[in-house]
Parts: sequence; C-alpha cells; structure tokens
Amino acid sequence: QSALTQPASVSGSPGQSITISCTGTSSDVGAYNYVSWYQQHPGKVPKLIISEVSNRPSGVFNRFSGSKSGSTASLTISGLQAEDEADYYCSSFTTSDTWVFGGGTKVTVL
Amino acid sequence: EEQLVESGGGLVQPGGSLRLSCVASGFAFSTYWMHWVRQAPGKGLVWVSRINEDGSSTTYADSVKGQFTISRDNAKNTLYLQMNILRAEDTAIYYCARCSGWNCFDSWGQGTLVTVSS
Repeated sequence: QSALTQPASVSGSPGQSITISCTGTSSDVGAYNYVSWYQQHPGKVPKLIISEVSNRPSGVFNRFSGSKSGSTASLTISGLQAEDEADYYCSSFTTSDTWVFGGGTKVTVL
Repeated sequence: EEQLVESGGGLVQPGGSLRLSCVASGFAFSTYWMHWVRQAPGKGLVWVSRINEDGSSTTYADSVKGQFTISRDNAKNTLYLQMNILRAEDTAIYYCARCSGWNCFDSWGQGTLVTVSS
C-alpha cells in the first residue's frame, strides 16, 4: 500500500494554469476510474473537488478539472486564483479493496 | 444539514487503547460506506479503514491491521474506531468520511486529535 506519488509543490501566477500529477500503479490508479482529488486549506477539513477521475461535485468551480492516462491522474487548475493556494491530495481505490492517498502537493500562488 | 461529528480523541500512553466515535446526522447513515482517514501533524492524508453499509465487510490499511477495529451502530447513526496497542506513530487527527457510491470522500467530519505520548 505505497502512497501515490505527487509533486511536493507546484506554483503559478494568478490567471495561469497549473497541473498536478498523481502517479500510481496498475493496482490502483491504472486499475479503476475511482480517482478523487481534495483541496485542504491550512487547519481546515479536506474538501472533495473531483471524483471518479473527472467529475466535479456541485458547487466546485469549473476551473478545476481532472483526467487520467494509464496509471497517472492529473488535476488542472485553470485561471489560478489566490484562494486556490492550498494542499491538494489525490486518492484511488485499489485492487486490494483499500484506498490510498497521494503524499500531497502544496500549491503556491505567486 | 449533513454532518459528521467525531469524538473520543485525547492523550493516551503508548500501549494504551482508545475508541473514537463519529455521529452522523442529516443523511441516511445506514446506506453509506464509511471510512476513517488520519493525518499526522504537518503530514498528508492516510486512509485507515472502511466499513460497508451493514457492517458485514471491513478492510484496513496494512499499518493498522490487527490493531484497529472499525464498527458501526446504524440504530445510533454512529461509526466507531477501536484503537489498541497505540504507538507514537498513531498520533494524528482522525477523520470519519463518507463515500456516496464511488464519490469518495464527499463528506468529512471536523476530526478528533489522538496523541500517543508518555
């Protein structure tokens, strides 16, 4: 049950687009389309922003989008805004009937 | 309003036990899979365990297998996590979280802090 691999940090200027990768294996990300993404501001509870690779829950801004290719999922934030500065985590269901999270990515808005 | 409220955290000595609770309200608790997720101070999220709707099926992360037990009481809309033989590395905020089908994890509690220290 190794954690999914995410870059430790990603930064961008307001208005730019950034992409966060989430790399797993054929036993998790590559096995199912059950990849989710979460946003967590400091001291706050994680918030689901993408489910099942690319579904955006009601109320989540459409500047957040998700995709997957093979065993790597990606979260793209378009039109980066100051309020997007937070930690982002991916998660995936696995072939062992467990879930696994990524190590998290700190997004900095320059 | 849908809500998950954890309780039961606190300071415990190494080797001790603790039972966490998570009370659900505002939704049909008995129809959802429920999970525990933990986050050590300054660290990332780690999935701990899940239980199906009626409690007949459970799975655990390797790191807690045999040490933690997840259970639920649907009559009380409550999820539990029994934690035994606690170690310093179990120190974390413990969140209960819900999956709506494969829409995981769409609702989270505010978390309860467990500190294992002598």
